[in-house]
Amino acid sequence: NAGVTQTPKFQVLKTGQSMTLQCAQDMNHNSMYWYRQDPGMGLRLIYYSASEGTTDKGEVPNGYNVSRLNKREFSLRLESAAPSQTSVYFCASSEGGSANYGYTFGSGTRLTVV
Amino acid sequence: GNSVTQMEGPVTLSEEAFLTINCTYTATGYPSLFWYVQYPGEGLQLLLKATKADDKGSNKGFEATYRKETTSFHLEKGSVQVSDSAVYFCALSRNQGGKLIFGQGTELSVKP
Repeated sequence: NAGVTQTPKFQVLKTGQSMTLQCAQDMNHNSMYWYRQDPGMGLRLIYYSASEGTTDKGEVPNGYNVSRLNKREFSLRLESAAPSQTSVYFCASSEGGSANYGYTFGSGTRLTVV
Repeated sequence: GNSVTQMEGPVTLSEEAFLTINCTYTATGYPSLFWYVQYPGEGLQLLLKATKADDKGSNKGFEATYRKETTSFHLEKGSVQVSDSAVYFCALSRNQGGKLIFGQGTELSVKP
């Protein structure tokens, strides 16, 4: 089925470890996004890529890096994980540069940093 | 700056009750407004949208009207079902790179 695929679904890290969250979409969407979801705070934008070859910071970029590897793939890297990065991470994509087409979300990665 | 505020949850209703989830926004210019729904263990799905003032978005029995005068986009449904139990997010876009700004979410629980 067409959509957004995130891996892994669950991950436990120790403080200071690094990891990369993978995201791929097969809908030929131009724009891709990484959000984190925390209780009572909704979803907050970490980084986004309006088109292949571009990336920009969102609301909460500190402690993260991203790579838009090609049109399909947009990865999120935690270089040195901290307990404050315990969260559920969602990748999303959209057609063109407008949210009016609607986002397609992945099913999320639940990350725990101990 | 741009922001979205939703009523706090959880909201607990009996089946066939009327639902209202309040959403107000702060934004410059003329944002587009959205409701997304998140079922347990899943990502968010677009429920409905409105892109200009006085537009009404509707889907699956849910409705919301874009009220610029009150900067609101309240979600309503006339008769909820157990299957509507989920978390509902109001969001806005100023079309700056297609970014969405989300409210904090409102959990809805519908009891048989």
